Amino acid sequence: DQQVKQNSPSLSVQEGRISILNCDYTNSMFDYFLWYKKYPAEGPTFLISISSIKDKNEDGRFTVFLNKSAKHLSLHIVPSQPGDSAVYFCAASHFGNEKLTFGTGTRLTIIP
Amino acid sequence: SQTIHQWPATLVQPVGSPLSLECTVEGTSNPNLYWYRQAAGRGLQLLFYSVGIGQISSEVPQNLSASRPQDRQFILSSKKLLLSDSGFYLCAWNAGTTTYEQYFGPGTRLTVT
Repeated sequence: DQQVKQNSPSLSVQEGRISILNCDYTNSMFDYFLWYKKYPAEGPTFLISISSIKDKNEDGRFTVFLNKSAKHLSLHIVPSQPGDSAVYFCAASHFGNEKLTFGTGTRLTIIP
Repeated sequence: SQTIHQWPATLVQPVGSPLSLECTVEGTSNPNLYWYRQAAGRGLQLLFYSVGIGQISSEVPQNLSASRPQDRQFILSSKKLLLSDSGFYLCAWNAGTTTYEQYFGPGTRLTVT
């Protein structure tokens, strides 16, 4: 039962353009969402998060949007840079839960 | 600042051999600790987590086990490795009930031959 889904296994974007990574969830209890970036042979690094009381959170080039009615979130990276090439995981949790539920990841490739 | 260590970085073990992977966290007290596995081309699978010394929750039945002998030490073990145990093992921590963010170690690449 995949409660967090990233339906695009890969995405290629031209350098300087916007990258949009999508994530859908099915568990209505989820109230906190996170994005992680992972390079090969390294641990994931935390990028940005959003609480369900907000619909947008920005941090530099990264913006996360949350649409609770659609159970959908997206990560926007603008402008995209070559160093953004990595696998991106979305994750979700809810109050009182010590665990994160991860999606299967989207491999982003930035084309110079 | 907090730091998480994992070792070894890479490991090649024959089928049927034992396993011990260690994770330690510095700069924090009473963290929640987690073991994940990423199989080739797959997402992150939570294997075990611990909210305190001696407290282990298992997420996936398998031939692996975990222990937390000290507050900031988390160990992943197996008595007899299977080929299917190959993968990238990640340890993570978070500060507990006040936060959701988990922070990951550098990982251990395990190849069972």
